[in-house]
Amino acid sequence: GAVVSQHPSRVICKSGTSVKIECRSLDFQATTMFWYRQFPKKSLMLMATSNEGSKATYEQGVEKDKFLINHASLTLSTLTVTSAHPEDSSFYICSATGETTTDTQYFGPGTRLTVL
Amino acid sequence: AQKVTQAQTEISVVEKEDVTLDCVYETRDTTYYLFWYKQPPSGELVFLIRRNSFDEQNEISGRYSWNFQKSTSSFNFTITASQVVDSAVYFCALNLGELTFGTGTRLTIIP
Repeated sequence: GAVVSQHPSRVICKSGTSVKIECRSLDFQATTMFWYRQFPKKSLMLMATSNEGSKATYEQGVEKDKFLINHASLTLSTLTVTSAHPEDSSFYICSATGETTTDTQYFGPGTRLTVL
Repeated sequence: AQKVTQAQTEISVVEKEDVTLDCVYETRDTTYYLFWYKQPPSGELVFLIRRNSFDEQNEISGRYSWNFQKSTSSFNFTITASQVVDSAVYFCALNLGELTFGTGTRLTIIP
């Protein structure tokens, strides 16, 4: 149980375009979803927290207009990187907690974004 | 403020050796959760264990064992009889509503 998927696993895009990453909880209802960013050989940095049906809470320094997060249902959250630039290239990982597992985050497999 | 320190950046051991990954945390709260996650080269974070602050009992799961000592604020992870498949980055994390990760320890098991 507690499986989280992400799509796509890898995406390459041109500078200035927008990219959408999906995060789904497959076998549980995700009351809260988290989006992290990880640079090579670094730890995970929390970008934002989202609860279903509410606006996301962004961490300090994360641009809300650049990283759009939507948590429209209890099984789906999306992260849209708008007007992507090469410095947005990174590994993006989502995680989710459920109603019965509020203290444990289960992570998706990650999405590697490369902006040319 | 909460903080997690994994002082060992990289460790290499020969297969079948035992290895211990250290984790020290800081928090003023009395109720919290500690975690270990494994991140293999594929990138996915795999949940290994969750321990709440009131349960200091050590845990063993196959070749994995965890030693939680509140007195020293440590939550160390030992792999016995290591295997090549154990090669990964291991993260210790502290949850006080928000998950704070350590910087990770890159473990390489040499065949």
